[in-house]
Amino acid sequence: AQSVTQPDIHITVSEGASLELRCNYSYGATPYLFWYVQSPGQGLQLLLKYFSGDTLVQGIKGFEAEFKRSQSSFNLRKPSVHWSDAAEYFCAVGAGTGANNLFFGTGTRLTVIP
Amino acid sequence: EPEVTQTPSHQVTQMGQEVILRCVPISNHLYFYWYRQILGQKVEFLVSFYNNEISEKSEIFDDQFSVERPDGSNFTLKIRSTKLEDSAMYFCASRGALAAVGNEQFFGPGTRLTVL
Repeated sequence: AQSVTQPDIHITVSEGASLELRCNYSYGATPYLFWYVQSPGQGLQLLLKYFSGDTLVQGIKGFEAEFKRSQSSFNLRKPSVHWSDAAEYFCAVGAGTGANNLFFGTGTRLTVIP
Repeated sequence: EPEVTQTPSHQVTQMGQEVILRCVPISNHLYFYWYRQILGQKVEFLVSFYNNEISEKSEIFDDQFSVERPDGSNFTLKIRSTKLEDSAMYFCASRGALAAVGNEQFFGPGTRLTVL
């Protein structure tokens, strides 16, 4: 069965600092991996996704993520955080037909301090 | 920019009552989904829907739940007899016409259901 673990419930960083959000997955086949962001009162927005090929994927808003099969990880990074990045971040693995049913982690809440 | 909308934003109901959560997916999308998020827990897949029938459903999606696309624009989730544990945020999502693996799902803002 598929599962996603986000070990950090809440992270606080200073504006301008670098960020890494951790994600570990468990899936029996080649994983399809996603990062979504949820701002207060908003729906989930896709930041980036990995299916195959280059293990370092670039997303929107300056985010990137690196797939490491040996560590079953798909960590999200940003070199310099902006105050507007404060939100909830969800890692997900795609499963089912066409990998289109998403299984999410519990999320990491990011707080950005000036 | 097209977006998925959901109504109402917040629904309060008594235990045992029926509720219908409504979603308007993006107009040219063909694949539709419901997810839920119990407070403090992960977002959970409930059901996927294509061509007017359920494609896949999770263990959560029992006989109390049903989905429908009644008029070609709305996509609804009905809970026949609500339980306290149905209290959650319910997200609708839709996906475009291409059948490519892992096409982006566009999510609505959610409906918060509170069962008293």
